Amino acid sequence: KAGVTQTPRYLIKTRGQQVTLSCSPISGHRSVSWYQQTPGQGLQFLFEYFSETQRNKGNFPGRFSGRQFSNSRSEMNVSTLELGDSALYLCASSLAGAKNIQYFGAGTRLSVL
Amino acid sequence: GENVEQHPSTLSVQEGDSAVIKCTYSDSASNYFPWYKQELGKGPQLIIDIRSNVGEKKDQRIAVTLNKTAKHFSLHITETQPEDSAVYFCAASLGSARQLTFGSGTQLTVLP
Repeated sequence: KAGVTQTPRYLIKTRGQQVTLSCSPISGHRSVSWYQQTPGQGLQFLFEYFSETQRNKGNFPGRFSGRQFSNSRSEMNVSTLELGDSALYLCASSLAGAKNIQYFGAGTRLSVL
Repeated sequence: GENVEQHPSTLSVQEGDSAVIKCTYSDSASNYFPWYKQELGKGPQLIIDIRSNVGEKKDQRIAVTLNKTAKHFSLHITETQPEDSAVYFCAASLGSARQLTFGSGTQLTVLP
């Protein structure tokens, strides 16, 4: 079974631009969560989507948004990029239900210049 | 909200020795505690997890213990091998929530 797939793997953007990252979950997984990983702040939860609805949101500004499609694929968007948005963005998928084991993709490395 | 503290930040051991990484959490309602291993250029990989109704869980060379009263949990790796070298993260979450709060990570180096 294929794992969580994130595209692209690397991105370079300039300040003020916007960016869209994509995540395809493991087949059959309906929940997708996004995390930001930086050397200074570590791994921080951004938001979770389940059945196309955002169920939970971390403490990030409104410039960070996401969505989920009917096939469970998810995208996250960051508008008006800032230098501090440079990070590894990780997507994790999990089955619906009480078990909340999350499986991570390899991430998208975003560099903002 | 939940806060997870992880120690040590770096750990070097000789091949064959044991390694122990400790985490404490703040929210007594948290009931799911996974451990992830992250190698360079890769995403975190789940290596073991424990739920609050269990005190200890073992999988070959890896074990996790949980002390709910003290609100801390630990990862134990025995007979370490060079391929165990990586960054290890503990995490905690509440109920069925898929919002994981991570510790700051431990860089484990196994010296041959």
